[in-house]
Amino acid sequence: AQSVTQLDSQVPVFEEAPVELRCNYSSSVSVYLFWYVQYPNQGLQLLLKYLSGSTLVKGINGFEAEFNKSQTSFHLRKPSVHISDTAEYFCAVIIFNNAGNMLTFGGGTRLMVKP
Amino acid sequence: GAGVSQSPSNKVTEKGKDVELRCDPISGHTALYWYRQSLGQGLEFLIYFQGNSAPDKSGLPSDRFSAERTGGSVSTLTIQRTQQEDSAVYLCASSLGRSNTEAFFGQGTRLTVV
Repeated sequence: AQSVTQLDSQVPVFEEAPVELRCNYSSSVSVYLFWYVQYPNQGLQLLLKYLSGSTLVKGINGFEAEFNKSQTSFHLRKPSVHISDTAEYFCAVIIFNNAGNMLTFGGGTRLMVKP
Repeated sequence: GAGVSQSPSNKVTEKGKDVELRCDPISGHTALYWYRQSLGQGLEFLIYFQGNSAPDKSGLPSDRFSAERTGGSVSTLTIQRTQQEDSAVYLCASSLGRSNTEAFFGQGTRLTVV
């Protein structure tokens, strides 16, 4: 079985401060990992993904995430946030099996950037 | 079209009525997902299609919910005898399948049961 846990439901942070949104997954086999972002009143869009190779993945808008296999984590970071980063962030994992691929999401983390 | 299209974008229905939500995936995408997002909540998995078959229906909340996909393309999610707790945004996503795993989302259908 696989599951994705986002440890923080809300993260308030001041503008220009660094931020880390935490994500842990549980799976007995290799996984692919994603972060999606949902801006207010908009659909979900892909922020970044880890499929293989370098464990440090860079995405859009200055975000990056690091895959840590031993800790089964894929935390999202940004060194300096902007007001426009206020959104809901979803971590997701996909695992291949004989039936195809299955995308499972965490509960989401609401990032609230304050001036 | 270029992206995942969902219709209607908004639906208001009376309690007890049946509703049908439609998803047009990106052409060529073999995997299709339905999720539900309630106000202030995360994404609740409903059902996943690989081609026309649904290997995983475990997320359907009750037997009032059903979904089908025909021709490996369009999918419909049907909710019978709607209840107020069914009110949510229903999101559809598609991906190419084994060779490419990025999922693209539609804008969703906002369902309000009154």
